[in-house]
Amino acid sequence: GAVVSQHPSRVICKSGTSVKIECRSLDFQATTMFWYRQFPKQSLMLMATSNEGSKATYEQGVEKDKFLINHASLTLSTLTVTSAHPEDSSFYICSARSLAGGGSYNEQFFGPGTRLTVL
Amino acid sequence: SQKIEQNSEALNIQEGKTATLTCNYTNYSPAYLQWYRQDPGRGPVFLLLIRENEKEKRKERLKVTFDTTLKQSLFHITASQPADSATYLCALYQAGTALIFGKGTTLSVSS
Repeated sequence: GAVVSQHPSRVICKSGTSVKIECRSLDFQATTMFWYRQFPKQSLMLMATSNEGSKATYEQGVEKDKFLINHASLTLSTLTVTSAHPEDSSFYICSARSLAGGGSYNEQFFGPGTRLTVL
Repeated sequence: SQKIEQNSEALNIQEGKTATLTCNYTNYSPAYLQWYRQDPGRGPVFLLLIRENEKEKRKERLKVTFDTTLKQSLFHITASQPADSATYLCALYQAGTALIFGKGTTLSVSS
């Protein structure tokens, strides 16, 4: 099946620094990638949707200047948390959707997640 | 407002029994409904997808039903095993959107 990887799996940083999380589709081309955030015992909350080569669309309440998303190629999207603060500590999960191969059109494949801890 | 509710936060059952999890939604018209398994500290893993024109789908010990009139899906695990212990997420897909998730039900199967 289609595989989505994320790097790093865990990151600890100091307050005020920026952190970049990479999401890669390993065996398919992802025309659309999604970033979710999950707090303990909560649902996955969609943060933004990005299509390759265009600007990301952010969900209401998500600061686009704080969570920078770049979808530069059909296999790579990055999420940069700028000037991170303790309240940004969460589990960040990316997801990728393909139009060709890798299952049905509507199937989203999920990465393993990145645990961000901001001290 | 739009809501997806998995109305049991936790479900405890004995090994060998059938686990039944419920997902209800309000103000959505999903083309697809999907169920995922999530283990602690991991991303969701796809289990089953059911389309709006399908009533039931099966895969090994798993069965999903979808009632668009009741706006409800039921997810069954038969002959449950301790290894089935995890959080199960219901997710809806509407055309042109990303998957939207319920909060999940944490299933614990005791031996």
